[in-house]
Amino acid sequence: QKEVEQNSGPLSVPEGAIASLNCTYSDRGSQSFFWYRQYSGKSPELIMFIYSNGDKEDGRFTAQLNKASQYVSLLIRDSQPSDSATYLCAVNEVLGGGADGLTFGKGTHLIIQP
Amino acid sequence: GAVVSQHPSRVICKSGTSVKIECRSLDFQATTMFWYRQFPKQSLMLMATSNEGSKATYEQGVEKDKFLINHASLTLSTLTVTSAHPEDSSFYICSAASGGNEKLFFGSGTQLSVL
Repeated sequence: QKEVEQNSGPLSVPEGAIASLNCTYSDRGSQSFFWYRQYSGKSPELIMFIYSNGDKEDGRFTAQLNKASQYVSLLIRDSQPSDSATYLCAVNEVLGGGADGLTFGKGTHLIIQP
Repeated sequence: GAVVSQHPSRVICKSGTSVKIECRSLDFQATTMFWYRQFPKQSLMLMATSNEGSKATYEQGVEKDKFLINHASLTLSTLTVTSAHPEDSSFYICSAASGGNEKLFFGSGTQLSVL
């Protein structure tokens, strides 16, 4: 059974600080890793995806992947109150995926304190 | 960007009735759509993979006779919850990919409440 683990939180971070969200996964063969943001009562929206070990930056967001440790993280710099949401980590065993469903973690509830 | 439309957004029904949820890809063709269920404070759980022109593939533990999936065209998949019971109350979300999973788009979700 594939598992994706996240600390449910809530994770409280002051406005302007760096928020660090972590995720571990059980399937060593996983190839694709995604971070989604989900506001309460809404569907998820893709924030970032990463396929290779190392860091990938996009604006205020940085995804970090360590396949040896089966660990993926999301850093949010200069946190804003609008970043307050649940962040879902998702994993797929296929590189790029497409016709395969993602396995999601339960999500981390992030609160940015003004 | 690509848009996936899901309808209805909210439905309240009596126990024993059936509810149909529609998922449409508005500006791309999707040979595959996915149906997820999410209980409060829980993860999205993949229920089934809907394949255009063929039978859906259900995840372990999901009753195919209770959750009927029809993917009649490249832009429409439907999920019918048959003989709904209160324990079926959940947030149901569909998704479709216009390419790889980085182009996976979600519908707005359907909150089902069974009384």
